[in-house]
Amino acid sequence: KAGVTQTPRYLIKTRGQQVTLSCSPISGHRSVSWYQQTPGQGLQFLFEYFSETQRNKGNFPGRFSGRQFSNSRSEMNVSTLELGDSALYLCASSLAGQGASPLHFGNGTRLTVT
Amino acid sequence: SQQGEEDPQALSIQEGENATMNCSYKTSINNLQWYRQNSGRGLVHLILIRSNEREKHSGRLRVTLDTSKKSSSLLITASRAADTASYFCATADNNNDMRFGAGTRLTVKP
Repeated sequence: KAGVTQTPRYLIKTRGQQVTLSCSPISGHRSVSWYQQTPGQGLQFLFEYFSETQRNKGNFPGRFSGRQFSNSRSEMNVSTLELGDSALYLCASSLAGQGASPLHFGNGTRLTVT
Repeated sequence: SQQGEEDPQALSIQEGENATMNCSYKTSINNLQWYRQNSGRGLVHLILIRSNEREKHSGRLRVTLDTSKKSSSLLITASRAADTASYFCATADNNNDMRFGAGTRLTVKP
């Protein structure tokens, strides 16, 4: 079974630009969660989508948004990028949803904002 | 915000020794999970222990959970250089909200 795939692996953007990250979950998994990981803040939950509906959301500004498609693939968008958005963005899929079953993580997208 | 707090923040041991990492949390939980992360990569799920369980084993891994003390420990026996990684605990509450700790950085020297 193929694992969680995140694209692109690395991204360099300039302040003020926007970016879209993509995540393909494990086949059969309807839940996709997104996390931001930084050395200072650790792993911070962004949001979870389950069957195309946002089920939960963390404490991030509205510049961070996401969506999930009918095939469970998910995208995350960050608009008006700030230097502090530089981080490793991880997505994770799960069978029964975050918290209810183990999370399977992709290798992340390393975003650098200059 | 983070819920779990791992202790120690960093641990360095020799190959063959046992490694013990601890996790404390503040609120009631439904389950607690442990994950491993190799540098620059995604997290890998290790073990999930439910609030009504006290101990679970998986290969060289042993996890205990004490809900009265709101703490858990992860024991890796007979460690190998390949066990070098960061280890995170994550708690899931009754709403299935998950919170990750800051992690323990384990270094196993060959």
